[in-house]
Amino acid sequence: DGGITQSPKYLFRKEGQNVTLSCEQNLNHDAMYWYRQDPGQGLRLIYYSQIVNDFQKGDIAEGYSVSREKKESFPLTVTSAQKNPTAFYLCASSIVRGTYNEQFFGPGTRLTVL
Amino acid sequence: SQQGEEDPQALSIQEGENATMNCSYKTSINNLQWYRQNSGRGLVHLILIRSNEREKHSGRLRVTLDTSKKSSSLLITASRAADTASYFCATGDVVTGTASKLTFGTGTRLQVTL
Repeated sequence: DGGITQSPKYLFRKEGQNVTLSCEQNLNHDAMYWYRQDPGQGLRLIYYSQIVNDFQKGDIAEGYSVSREKKESFPLTVTSAQKNPTAFYLCASSIVRGTYNEQFFGPGTRLTVL
Repeated sequence: SQQGEEDPQALSIQEGENATMNCSYKTSINNLQWYRQNSGRGLVHLILIRSNEREKHSGRLRVTLDTSKKSSSLLITASRAADTASYFCATGDVVTGTASKLTFGTGTRLQVTL
């Protein structure tokens, strides 16, 4: 089956720790995205990548870092510098051909800081 | 920044009734998309309307776009209990050959009761 997988589904972190969220896609999409969703809110863009070894900051990049070493993978690290990391994190991907591109989402990772 | 604002924030209807959700946005757009999110899950793309289109249909979904008023509406006809979810609009300002960077609204929570 083609799609996007995220792991783990639930993640607990102690204050001061860095954690890495995994995102893998087998849709052969060039672009990948990370969003943060807080309760009752919409999605806010953290980082996105259009091609391997390239990525750009979104609206709320502070306290987060990413890498894009492979087309299929776009891991997100939540660093200890992120002041309020408890949230639901969603990864997405899309093609970059053409002008109107829908995004395909993974199932999400719920991060809780203890 | 949050581009789209959905109205109402929450909507409760009975099965068989129609559900209408509205989205307003602030700047010029290339396209507007609607997504659905079941509780605790990732988002699923429903429909995309281009800035030069006024209305689009997909099954029981009807989307309208009024660029002069910077607003869109999503109509779900003959609703079913399975339509219970949150619905988000997302605006895109895509340049051909680049990632489809979207800005999401705050969502409408739809509850369909039997």
